[in-house]
Amino acid sequence: GENVEQHPSTLSVQEGDSAVIKCTYSDSASNYFPWYKQELGKRPQLIIDIRSNVGEKKDQRIAVTLNKTAKHFSLHITETQPEDSAVYFCAASWGYQGAQKLVFGQGTRLTINP
Amino acid sequence: EAQVTQNPRYLITVTGKKLTVTCSQNMNHEYMSWYRQDPGLGLRQIYYSMNVEVTDKGDVPEGYKVSRKEKRNFPLILESPSPNQTSLYFCASSLLGGRSYNEQFFGPGTRLTVL
Repeated sequence: GENVEQHPSTLSVQEGDSAVIKCTYSDSASNYFPWYKQELGKRPQLIIDIRSNVGEKKDQRIAVTLNKTAKHFSLHITETQPEDSAVYFCAASWGYQGAQKLVFGQGTRLTINP
Repeated sequence: EAQVTQNPRYLITVTGKKLTVTCSQNMNHEYMSWYRQDPGLGLRQIYYSMNVEVTDKGDVPEGYKVSRKEKRNFPLILESPSPNQTSLYFCASSLLGGRSYNEQFFGPGTRLTVL
């Protein structure tokens, strides 16, 4: 089955700097890669996603890149702000018997230092 | 308001005492899923459902049961809970599961402790 590895497990950056979180996946059939943000005590919420036919996607300060050949994808946050502090999860998904099986990475705790 | 709700939000129980965690969504989503979240392991899928009366195992189904008798409800049943099922549980739903790969909306979570 699919396996998703996420690094680093913790990341601390100064406010205004950039943060990068990386994920690798094992199943070349995976074709959908969402990123979820989970604030302390809250539920995960989708922040950005990318499909396998796209190499990069950007939404304001957040961007995701995908390298299908290397089977890795990354989340980039620029001009970080205190409200970016949270746990971030990457995930990989593919159609399995018509169903949506989402496999998550282990999570990255991002701390933005003022 | 479009939402996914779970009950209870917190539960402390003892080994072997059957329990049910309810999940309900008001968005008419076909797809629903249960995850457990454990430190260092991320979110792991327990069971999912494509539609009424259609359920299938996720990656960690052992010790759990589900049912989907109505489109809006997807309860998680622990017939004989054990301490290793102590975890934070999330229900999620999405519109048109399968190849559409739509966003999954998560419930608020249920923190379960099994003594």
